[in-house]
Amino acid sequence: AQKVTQAQTEISVVEKEDVTLDCVYETRDTTYYLFWYKQPPSGELVFLIRRNSFDEQNEISGRYSWNFQKSTSSFNFTITASQVVDSAVYFCALIEDKFYFGSGTKLNVKP
Amino acid sequence: EAGVAQSPRYKIIEKRQSVAFWCNPISGHATLYWYQQILGQGPKLLIQFQNNGVVDDSQLPKDRFSAERLKGVDSTLKIQPAKLEDSAVYLCASSRDLYGYTFGSGTRLTVV
Repeated sequence: AQKVTQAQTEISVVEKEDVTLDCVYETRDTTYYLFWYKQPPSGELVFLIRRNSFDEQNEISGRYSWNFQKSTSSFNFTITASQVVDSAVYFCALIEDKFYFGSGTKLNVKP
Repeated sequence: EAGVAQSPRYKIIEKRQSVAFWCNPISGHATLYWYQQILGQGPKLLIQFQNNGVVDDSQLPKDRFSAERLKGVDSTLKIQPAKLEDSAVYLCASSRDLYGYTFGSGTRLTVV
């Protein structure tokens, strides 16, 4: 069974639109960490955020915000006022004993 | 601090040839990981080292893949012989603890 599900394979938006990337996870552990990574066309994985299972506070960092809801096992990522440079594949990941990545959501931001 | 270094950046080989990738982790990071990322998928862990010992190699195809981490620093991942389905990006990552990962830029392997 998939531990991390990113149901949106690809999303296309026009610059300045807001966009939300969904992530649903599955775990029986009470202690775990969730991550979001950005993978631009160059290929490297860029760390965006880490959130532990005991901290359900939403977080905002500039145009990025994250909504963690344990009740629905979701850790969604919103980009406000998207820009062309946001175009990339975004991965949600879970750490229990090791990293489990989702299959990624490709975001296309058109000018 | 310097990042995780990987080389080569790109490699194209014919099937049945052998290939090796190199990774230099961040100084002081005891744990090193090799991931395989096939196009359109998330990274999949191949092997995890703690210092120079193997912690997890359950998903490493041992009939053709091998990895070593001599002296607990640099690591090499080898494929011999390569198959078409090995075409992927091979990512190296290192961490000081379970939650502080840093990934390298990866090696993009194309097997033709």
